[in-house]
Amino acid sequence: DVKVTQSSRYLVKRTGEKVFLECVQDMDHENMFWYRQDPGLGLRLIYFSYDVKMKEKGDIPEGYSVSREKKERFSLILESASTNQTSMYLCASSTQFPYGYTFGSGTRLTVV
Amino acid sequence: AQSVTQLDSQVPVFEEAPVELRCNYSSSVSVYLFWYVQYPNQGLQLLLKYLSGSTLVESINGFEAEFNKSQTSFHLRKPSVHISDTAEYFCAVSSDNSGGYQKVTFGIGTKLQVIP
Repeated sequence: DVKVTQSSRYLVKRTGEKVFLECVQDMDHENMFWYRQDPGLGLRLIYFSYDVKMKEKGDIPEGYSVSREKKERFSLILESASTNQTSMYLCASSTQFPYGYTFGSGTRLTVV
Repeated sequence: AQSVTQLDSQVPVFEEAPVELRCNYSSSVSVYLFWYVQYPNQGLQLLLKYLSGSTLVESINGFEAEFNKSQTSFHLRKPSVHISDTAEYFCAVSSDNSGGYQKVTFGIGTKLQVIP
C-alpha cells in the first residue's frame, strides 16, 4: 500500500526554536506538498515541490522554508518558531496531475 | 482563480438516515473535483474523484457524488450512514490550466456527526 510518512505525530517546541518536519513517501511520486490545517480555515498550502531540488511557494510561505534533496523526502523548516505556527501540518504527495493526493497522518505542532 | 465553498460546517444525522454534504466551486476553466475524508487524528484520504466521463462517481464505502456543471456543484451523498462515517469531509477542486502547476484548492471542511 502506498504511504506517506511524517516523522512525528505530536511535537512541542519553544518560541524561537528552529523546527524540522520530515516527510517521506515510498511511491516514487514527483510532486510533494506541505499544508497547514486550522479550524475554520481548512487546508492552506505552504510550499510544494514537483522535482528534486525544486520548490515553489504556496499561499502562506512566510516563516517557512523547505528542502527536497531526494525525491522521496520533503522537509518543512520553521526558521524561528512562533506561537501562531501552532497547527496541524499535513504532507502529501501525488503523481501526474490530477490524480489526487496521498496524505500523511499529520504532525500536530504546538509552539509555546 | 478557483474557489470551493462547503455550505455546512457541521452536519448531524441519525444512524441509517441519508446525508448530503454540499460543495460548490467556481472556476473559469475545466475542473477536476475531489472529496477527501479525515478521521480523527489522521490525515486526509481520497474518497472519490471526478476527472471526466460519467458525472456520477462512487466510492467503495457507499458514498457518491454528482458533478453538476450548470450548478457548479459536486455534492456528496450517502443513502444510509453508519457510525463509522463520523469524520470531516473536504471538497477540493483543481483546474486544467495550460502550463505551470495546477493548484488544488480545498474547502474548509464539513464535520459529519452520526448519532446512534
